Amino acid sequence: NAGVTQTPKFQVLKTGQSMTLQCAQDMNHNSMYWYRQDPGMGLRLIYYSASEGTTDKGEVPNGYNVSRLNKREFSLRLESAAPSQTSVYFCASSEGRGNLHGYTFGSGTRLTVV
Amino acid sequence: GDSVTQMEGPVTLSEEAFLTINCTYTATGYPSLFWYVQYPGEGLQLLLKATKADDKGSNKGFEATYRKETTSFHLEKGSVQVSDSAVYFCALSSSGSARQLTFGSGTQLTVLP
Repeated sequence: NAGVTQTPKFQVLKTGQSMTLQCAQDMNHNSMYWYRQDPGMGLRLIYYSASEGTTDKGEVPNGYNVSRLNKREFSLRLESAAPSQTSVYFCASSEGRGNLHGYTFGSGTRLTVV
Repeated sequence: GDSVTQMEGPVTLSEEAFLTINCTYTATGYPSLFWYVQYPGEGLQLLLKATKADDKGSNKGFEATYRKETTSFHLEKGSVQVSDSAVYFCALSSSGSARQLTFGSGTQLTVLP
């Protein structure tokens, strides 16, 4: 099925460990996004990539880095995990400029940092 | 900056009751407005959208009208079902180059049989 695929679905890290969340889309979308979802706070944008080769900070970028590997893939890296990064992470993609069609979301990665 | 304010939940209704979830926004220019739904353990799915003032988005019995004069985009459904139990997010599309979405905090809806 066409869509956005995220891996892994669940992860437990110890404080200070690093990991990379993977995201791939097969809809030929130009723009990709990483959000985190926390109770009572909705979704907050971490980083986005308007097109292949570009990335920009969102609302809450501290502690994260991203790589737009190619048009299909957009990864999120935690270099030194902290308990405050315990959250559900969603990757999304869209056609880009105009965004009249909304986003397509992945099913999420539930991350716990202990 | 852009912001979205949703009515706080949780909301609990009996099956076949009328649903309203309020959403108001602050934005420059002319944003597009969206409602997303999230079922337990899943990602967000686009429910409906409206791209200009007075547009009405509709899907699966849900409706919302883009009201520029009141900066609102309230979600309504005439008769809810147990299967409508989910978290509902209001969102707007900014005027930035990537048109990133700004989300409200979400409203948890539970429908009882």
